[in-house]
Amino acid sequence: KNEVEQSPQNLTAQEGEFITINCSYSVGISALHWLQQHPGGGIVSLFMLSSGKKKHGRLIATINIQEKHSSLHITASHPRDSAVYICAVPENYGGSQGNLIFGKGTKLSVKP
Amino acid sequence: NAGVTQTPKFRVLKTGQSMTLLCAQDMNHEYMYWYRQDPGMGLRLIHYSVGEGTTAKGEVPDGYNVSRLKKQNFLLGLESAAPSQTSVYFCASSSRYRTEAFFGQGTRLTVV
Repeated sequence: KNEVEQSPQNLTAQEGEFITINCSYSVGISALHWLQQHPGGGIVSLFMLSSGKKKHGRLIATINIQEKHSSLHITASHPRDSAVYICAVPENYGGSQGNLIFGKGTKLSVKP
Repeated sequence: NAGVTQTPKFRVLKTGQSMTLLCAQDMNHEYMYWYRQDPGMGLRLIHYSVGEGTTAKGEVPDGYNVSRLKKQNFLLGLESAAPSQTSVYFCASSSRYRTEAFFGQGTRLTVV
């Protein structure tokens, strides 16, 4: 069964800073998910990636399958980026993309 | 396009009472999931379904039952609520074609 570790647990940044959140997992996977949980509680999927890099606006997600590691970067951070960012991987290789093991999340606070 | 809708959003139960949480999705997804989220822990899978009429246990199934009589609906039941079931519950759905998971807004349940 996969295990997921995220770092840091908490992160405070000033508006405009470049932010990196890391995720490591223990078992080979077919894809990795980055999710965002808003202060109000809703969860939104940001990325699902299985190799290389994906970019959406100011968000960039990278994955290194060999090292079992992924990073989520936020460029030019803004207070509206304040949220909990969660990494998740399938329970087993080839497992359903909804039967996921979740990290405990990184709470990001961006100060104006 | 509503996506994934959970009802109710909030509920307070007395120990021993029963209730059903409803999850509805309008994306024709095959897979549906129920998770619980507790402070200091990642989301954990309770039960899931890979299609109408089928359900399976996840990581923390004890004290819960589920049913999927229609493809678009996934019900989570608590037959005799316990304080340990105080949590935030999330429903999610995904296509079987390895796509991202879509989450509902969550149900905050308190058992007193």
